Amino acid sequence: EVQLVESGGGLVQPGGSLRLSCAASGFTFSGNWMSWVRQAPGKGLEWVAIIKQDGSEKYYVDSVKGRFTISRDNAKNSLYLQMNSLRAEDTAVYYCARVRWSSFDYWGQGTLVTVSS
Amino acid sequence: QSALTQPPSVSGSPGQSVTISCTGTSSDVGTYNRVSWYQQPPGTAPKLMIYEVNNRPSGVPDRFSGSKSGNTASLTISGLQTEDEADYYCSSYTSGNIYVFGTGTKVTVL
Repeated sequence: EVQLVESGGGLVQPGGSLRLSCAASGFTFSGNWMSWVRQAPGKGLEWVAIIKQDGSEKYYVDSVKGRFTISRDNAKNSLYLQMNSLRAEDTAVYYCARVRWSSFDYWGQGTLVTVSS
Repeated sequence: QSALTQPPSVSGSPGQSVTISCTGTSSDVGTYNRVSWYQQPPGTAPKLMIYEVNNRPSGVPDRFSGSKSGNTASLTISGLQTEDEADYYCSSYTSGNIYVFGTGTKVTVL
């Protein structure tokens, strides 16, 4: 059974940093692109970032470029999102998702990031 | 990277059909057959319902179907059931390995 479990969310002040993790199991992690998607409270889904199987390619939504970094450790079956210079508008539930068929076929339960003073 | 446009809400009675539109541009929906649809009941994570315009993952009822014409994709739910009440989002691949989601549609079963 495919499982994705996010962790690392919490309350952080504007300008601060946070590192999210996603532990994957039930599939060959190194065989899939992986992605982060976020959802602000009461709002819609927003694609954030994506990383290739070997980590050699990474792409971001414009609003996080230069502030967020997606990475992965295939030996640990883990996906990460390093978030720096956080802003109030980054407040959201962050989901880890497996990429297949140019879609997001499995999702974690999400981790809440709140940026507030 | 503007969001794809969806109607805020659609509704129907049990057994009826409803269709949700998803309008993009020639840079996303119009060029790539990589449109997907997601169902999100309140307080839960999204679930993939349709991929590559009109394909259903294993386990998704055949009441759900997808199509595309020009810059607009559509999701149709036939034989609407109470458990179909949820938010639905479309998504499209765009050039350069970038993805964009739709604005979301709330489906209400009357």
